[in-house]
Amino acid sequence: EAQVTQNPRYLITVTGKKLTVTCSQNMNHEYMSWYRQDPGLGLRQIYYSMNVEVTDKGDVPEGYKVSRKEKRNFPLILESPSPNQTSLYFCASSFVGGTEAFFGQGTRLTVV
Amino acid sequence: GESVGLHLPTLSVQEGDNSIINCAYSNSASDYFIWYKQESGKGPQFIIDIRSNMDKRQGQRVTVLLNKTVKHLSLQIAATQPGDSAVYFCAENEVTDSWGKFQFGAGTQVVVTP
Repeated sequence: EAQVTQNPRYLITVTGKKLTVTCSQNMNHEYMSWYRQDPGLGLRQIYYSMNVEVTDKGDVPEGYKVSRKEKRNFPLILESPSPNQTSLYFCASSFVGGTEAFFGQGTRLTVV
Repeated sequence: GESVGLHLPTLSVQEGDNSIINCAYSNSASDYFIWYKQESGKGPQFIIDIRSNMDKRQGQRVTVLLNKTVKHLSLQIAATQPGDSAVYFCAENEVTDSWGKFQFGAGTQVVVTP
């Protein structure tokens, strides 16, 4: 089954404790992206990657890091999480130039 | 910066009626527009897209209209069903300058009543 898998689905952590949210896709997509979703703000793009070892900033990259060492994986790293990073995070993938992006189920992150 | 926005946060529709969800955009350089549906507890799901050189596109029970003159996009759902209850987002992308960078609207909650 074609899918984008995020882990964990839920995470509660403390301020400053480094964490990684994993994202994996099995569709051989070149393009992957991370979004955060907050009430009333819709989805805001954090980072995206056009291919292995190619990453670019989205609209809200501050406080986040990403890496793309393999085509199928695109982890989101929070080196020192803060409460304002409490949000619902989505990973998505598609073919480059494609309009149909596939989204993961989301990761609900709470930073206390 | 440029933004994509929605006119109504919540739309209540009677089952069987047609739904119209609106979206305003401000980036005249956007090359295509996409509609997504997000059901409760799930990630967004692609519905339909339209290129900037088109003014109408139809899918299964859905039609997207693009009015570039007033920078307005709409999604029409025919014969709305309970399964259409969800949040609907429009998104835009400027292919020539920054493909891969997407702007999403805030979303419209569609509630289908019996």
